[in-house]
Amino acid sequence: RKEVEQDPGPFNVPEGATVAFNCTYSNSASQSFFWYRQDCRKEPKLLMSVYSSGNEDGRFTAQLNRASQYISLLIRDSKLSDSATYLCVVFTGGGNKLTFGTGTQLKVEL
Amino acid sequence: EPEVTQTPSHQVTQMGQEVILRCVPISNHLYFYWYRQILGQKVEFLVSFYNNEISEKSEIFDDQFSVERPDGSNFTLKIRSTKLEDSAMYFCASASGTLNTGELFFGEGSRLTVL
Repeated sequence: RKEVEQDPGPFNVPEGATVAFNCTYSNSASQSFFWYRQDCRKEPKLLMSVYSSGNEDGRFTAQLNRASQYISLLIRDSKLSDSATYLCVVFTGGGNKLTFGTGTQLKVEL
Repeated sequence: EPEVTQTPSHQVTQMGQEVILRCVPISNHLYFYWYRQILGQKVEFLVSFYNNEISEKSEIFDDQFSVERPDGSNFTLKIRSTKLEDSAMYFCASASGTLNTGELFFGEGSRLTVL
């Protein structure tokens, strides 16, 4: 089983739509969780951390379910500029590194 | 805003040749990394470096790979004898502290093409 699994997409949505991405992780000892964004042929950049209580940053809401080992990202009122690949990222500890999922591609269209 | 810088942005090399990819991490950061991303695939961990030594490496990081921080600012990845399957985008990254709460900052990447 992959350490971090995501639906690769692409998700093609109209501007203004709400879209949700899901991610599962295999290691129950994983400690911290993040969503990174990667534009085409660019480097990954931190979008937001994911906290157990759920957290929101503007149009973006992230949630974590430790029991199900499941992380989600909700984007409301999608903008054209949201088009990118969204990477689910996990910190497991035991080494100071991050493990990346394959990413989910989002295309927001007019 | 401080950033991680990488050179070259693109390198084309022949199979079997040595390649050195260079990185200047953010100046007050303590943890340094190399990741790679084969086209269309996920970002994969290669190696982490802390306190002037490798702290962890993946299975990908075999004897053909080495890292060095020769002068306190540069952080280099050397591939001794490149193979076709080494073609990928190589990202250098740095962090000021542990990644359970901190952000990993990536450079723009060095695209390596092995012919």
